[in-house]
Amino acid sequence: QITLKESGPTLVKPTQTLTLTCTFSGFSLITSGVGVGWIRQPPGKALEWLALIYWDDDKRYSPSLKNRLTITKDTSKNEVVLRMTNMDPVDTATYYCAQNRVYYSSGSYYNAWGQGSLVTVSS
Amino acid sequence: DIVMTQSPLSLSVTPGEPASISCRSSQSLLYTNGYKYLHWYLQKPGQSPQLLIYMGSNRASGVPDRFSGSGSGTDFTLKISRVEAEDVGVYYCMQGLQTPHTFGQGTKLEIK
Repeated sequence: QITLKESGPTLVKPTQTLTLTCTFSGFSLITSGVGVGWIRQPPGKALEWLALIYWDDDKRYSPSLKNRLTITKDTSKNEVVLRMTNMDPVDTATYYCAQNRVYYSSGSYYNAWGQGSLVTVSS
Repeated sequence: DIVMTQSPLSLSVTPGEPASISCRSSQSLLYTNGYKYLHWYLQKPGQSPQLLIYMGSNRASGVPDRFSGSGSGTDFTLKISRVEAEDVGVYYCMQGLQTPHTFGQGTKLEIK
């Protein structure tokens, strides 16, 4: 059974750096074709893709947020960490991590999602 | 970036009746390997999204067969043959062909 769980602060101040951890089980990030991505959802709005890290340490970022995001993995701990700098109230959202599966060596899809972590940005 | 456009944005359906949601992409999601990298997710109220359909037409594990997906390179459809009360929520299409991965605006399904 695949499970993912996000953890981190529920409240951050503007200009601070947000650090979120995704702890997962039921799969390994050393397995070919597997990745972990981050997607967020502002209250009442649609899903927005943020970043993705693959088994081979290939990293992808949203172009509009690229300068603010860093994604890393620790395969020994089954963890993926997302850092977002210079937080602003517009970054208030539920942040999800999800398992990514590459299909036939090309594109991919998100097979399983965590429960989400609501982060509020306010002074 | 590939833009995903869904329609309608909301629909109200009587239980037992069919429902259909359309998703259009700004460029073809059909790769040279013959696969279509278009996926459907359902976000039930208060829950995280769950995978319904992947690669255009493959039902995810545990998804009832009343859900089906179809489509060509840029135009895709999610169909529910007979809507049930548990199907309420917001449906999203997503393209996984290239990063940045992008989602549609979402379609909210309500029960009449």
